[in-house]
Amino acid sequence: EIVLTQSPDFQSVTPKEKVTITCRASQSIGSSLHWYQQKPDQSPRLLIKYASQSLSGVPSRFSGSGSGTDFTLTINSLEAEDAATYYCHQSSSLPRTFGQGTKVEIK
Amino acid sequence: EVQLVESGGDLVQPGGSLRLSCAASGFIFSGYAMSWVRQAPGQGLEWVSTIGESGDRTYYADSMKGRFTVSRDNSQNTLYLQMNGLRAEDAAVYYCAIGETVLVNWGQGTLVTVSS
Repeated sequence: EIVLTQSPDFQSVTPKEKVTITCRASQSIGSSLHWYQQKPDQSPRLLIKYASQSLSGVPSRFSGSGSGTDFTLTINSLEAEDAATYYCHQSSSLPRTFGQGTKVEIK
Repeated sequence: EVQLVESGGDLVQPGGSLRLSCAASGFIFSGYAMSWVRQAPGQGLEWVSTIGESGDRTYYADSMKGRFTVSRDNSQNTLYLQMNGLRAEDAAVYYCAIGETVLVNWGQGTLVTVSS
């Protein structure tokens, strides 16, 4: 099973700051890494697919990078509505796995 | 508009059974693999199962193999998850999602509580 480890677990950030969340895989997964945002009491929402591919309807301040075992989700100029928990997810092999989540709080 | 509506969540005793449903609309259901993902209270996301477009391929997390069965009815645009031998640790919100690799859209979830 591929283990995904996110860091940090929690981040308290001021609006307009840049946020960086990392996800490290226990073995190489190529670019089969996706990012989701889950706001309180809501379902998860896909933000970035295949490490760096942006999606229609997702604000351009969200971007992803990385390949192999190390991946990054970046939120440029954080907005209040970005308060959420962010998860990475790998689809390289079964069983599919998720990172433990990174909670982003707005100061 | 894509819609996924889960139902069937309930309070069940340990060892009991439950069948969850996910009614899909707004897209060609038979053209997509579907997945179940669960989230225990206050915890992270856990992949449960995936089924191929025609139902010929099914995959499960190890802890669910032999207890859970995923199926679909493409004529009714509905996804199912039959859960048997439920344990306290199966208590969670269960989400259905479109996709096998990337989980593109998610339903609102249905709550399963396992307690005596």
